Amino acid sequence: DQQVKQNSPSLSVQEGRISILNCDYTNSMFDYFLWYKKYPAEGPTFLISISSIKDKNEDGRFTVFLNKSAKHLSLHIVPSQPGDSAVYFCAASESSYGQNFVFGPGTRLSVLP
Amino acid sequence: SQTIHQWPATLVQPVGSPLSLECTVEGTSNPNLYWYRQAAGRGLQLLFYSVGIGQISSEVPQNLSASRPQDRQFILSSKKLLLSDSGFYLCASRRGRAGTGELFFGEGSRLTVL
Repeated sequence: DQQVKQNSPSLSVQEGRISILNCDYTNSMFDYFLWYKKYPAEGPTFLISISSIKDKNEDGRFTVFLNKSAKHLSLHIVPSQPGDSAVYFCAASESSYGQNFVFGPGTRLSVLP
Repeated sequence: SQTIHQWPATLVQPVGSPLSLECTVEGTSNPNLYWYRQAAGRGLQLLFYSVGIGQISSEVPQNLSASRPQDRQFILSSKKLLLSDSGFYLCASRRGRAGTGELFFGEGSRLTVL
């Protein structure tokens, strides 16, 4: 049973518009969440994180929102750029000290020029 | 920040042959080290993690094994590969005793078992 779900395998967005990537989790013990971006044949690179004491964290064009009651988080990219085209993974851990990060299956974002 | 080196980058092996993937880490000491696998069209599955030399935790029963002979070296092995072992293998590192923060990933090793 998947503890971290990304129900949209793919998403297409026009350049300059907002990209919204969603992630749901089932384990109520998760309280530290990360987003990674991955290009083909490369390792994932860290984008942004959020802990459960916050409901929003922002870094440049990237904002992550956390809704603990709904066990849902989302990554917003504004404005979207063609270089943002990649697979995005959501990951969760039981604490920022946790050993085990559980990853979702990923969403492939295509930003169209 | 940390730098993770993985090799080989690409490997094609016959069923039943052995495997050794190596990972070394620069830029930190006493890291937590991880091996993940990404199967085609799937997310990242944690295989092993290590909090110190000689300390290995296995998350998924399988015919793979891991070893940590040195602080910043992590090795993934198999004595006899199966077709199902094909995938993209990623080594990752995280600050150790400080314990917090994100995972840093290597570039990955693509394994094809024929």
